[in-house]
This record gives sequence, C-alpha cells and structure tokens, in this order.
Amino acid sequence: EDQVTQSPEALRLQEGESSSLNCSYTVSGLRGLFWYRQDPGKGPEFLFTLYSAGEEKEKERLKATLTKKESFLHITAPKPEDSATYLCAVQAEGGSYIPTFGRGTSLIVHP
Amino acid sequence: GAGVSQSPSNKVTEKGKDVELRCDPISGHTALYWYRQSLGQGLEFLIYFQGNSAPDKSGLPSDRFSAERTGGSVSTLTIQRTQQEDSAVYLCASSRPQASGNTIYFGEGSWLTVV
Repeated sequence: EDQVTQSPEALRLQEGESSSLNCSYTVSGLRGLFWYRQDPGKGPEFLFTLYSAGEEKEKERLKATLTKKESFLHITAPKPEDSATYLCAVQAEGGSYIPTFGRGTSLIVHP
Repeated sequence: GAGVSQSPSNKVTEKGKDVELRCDPISGHTALYWYRQSLGQGLEFLIYFQGNSAPDKSGLPSDRFSAERTGGSVSTLTIQRTQQEDSAVYLCASSRPQASGNTIYFGEGSWLTVV
C-alpha cells in the first residue's frame, strides 16, 4: 500500500526565515510525486511534478527536490503570502492513476 | 473550460435529504477524480473515472454514495439520505493521462454541510 507522510504537521516562520518541508513516501514504483498548495477554503493548487531521484524544480521562492525515499520543499526567504497548507502526493507505477496524498504541512509566515 | 468547475460551491442540507454535486473537468481531460476533505483532515479518495467508466470505486464510503460521468465530461456525485458525518468539502480533479505521472488539477470544491 502506498504511503505518504509529511512533516512537520505545522510550521511557523518569521518572514525571511528559510526552511524545508518533508514528504516521505513508500511506493512500489514511483510514477510521479506532486506538490500542491492549498489556501483556506480553496482547492489544492498545483506546484510541481517530480519524476525521478535527483530531479529539482523551482518556482519563485520554492524549490522541490526528490530522492528515492523522500521529497523536500525548500522555501527561501518566505513572505506572509506563502502561508498555506502544502500537500504532497505520489502516483505509483501500474494501472492506477490515483495519487495518494499526505495530510499536509500547515505553514504560517509571520511578518 | 480554463479550469475544473464545481457546483454548487456551498450546500446546506437537512439530514436525510439527497444531494447532487457536479463537476465539469478541464476540456480534453479524460481522467476525473473525486476526493473528500473533512475539516483539518487529508484528502480521502472516493472514485476515479477514465472516460465514462469507473475502474476504481473503492473509496466510496457507503452505498449511499454514487457517481456517474456522461459523455466523457461532466460528472455528478450523489449522496443519498445524507448524514452529519457527510459534512465535508468534496473536491473534483481532472487530468490527461501521460506515460509518466499525470498531474491532476483540482476545482475549488463543493462545501457540504448536513444539519
């Protein structure tokens, strides 16, 4: 059974204080790993897809990295508008296209 | 359309009534997913459609839940005889299957409150 564990559950940062969110996963074979951002009262917004170990992707202050067991979402010099819940999901090789989601990390960035 | 569209955005219903939630996926997306998210909880998979067929219904929590998709496009999730524990956000997502990892895009959700 595919499993995704995100840590920490909640993170409070001061504006400008860089940090990383972790997504550990167990899957028989990885087809893709996804990061989403979810604001309160909204649906998840797609950020990145990573396919293989060693891959990295960046978008503004966010950078996602991938190893064979985990992914990190690095946030550099965060701003209050980066406050949101960040969700990680994995999609396994095989017939099913159904991603398995972690419970998310709630990030609050204080000005 | 430009994105996944869901309606209604908010629904308050009395316990025991039936509700229908609608999802209009991104044009050209053949895969469609329904998830449920309870307050402070993660995303719970409900059902997946590939075209009009549902190869995986394993996540439907009870036989009060059903879903259909017609014309390979719009999908309806129906909850019969609603219970208070059905209160949640129901999220629809769609994707274009690819050989290596298909990104799914979500709608804004339908907030269901059963009173």
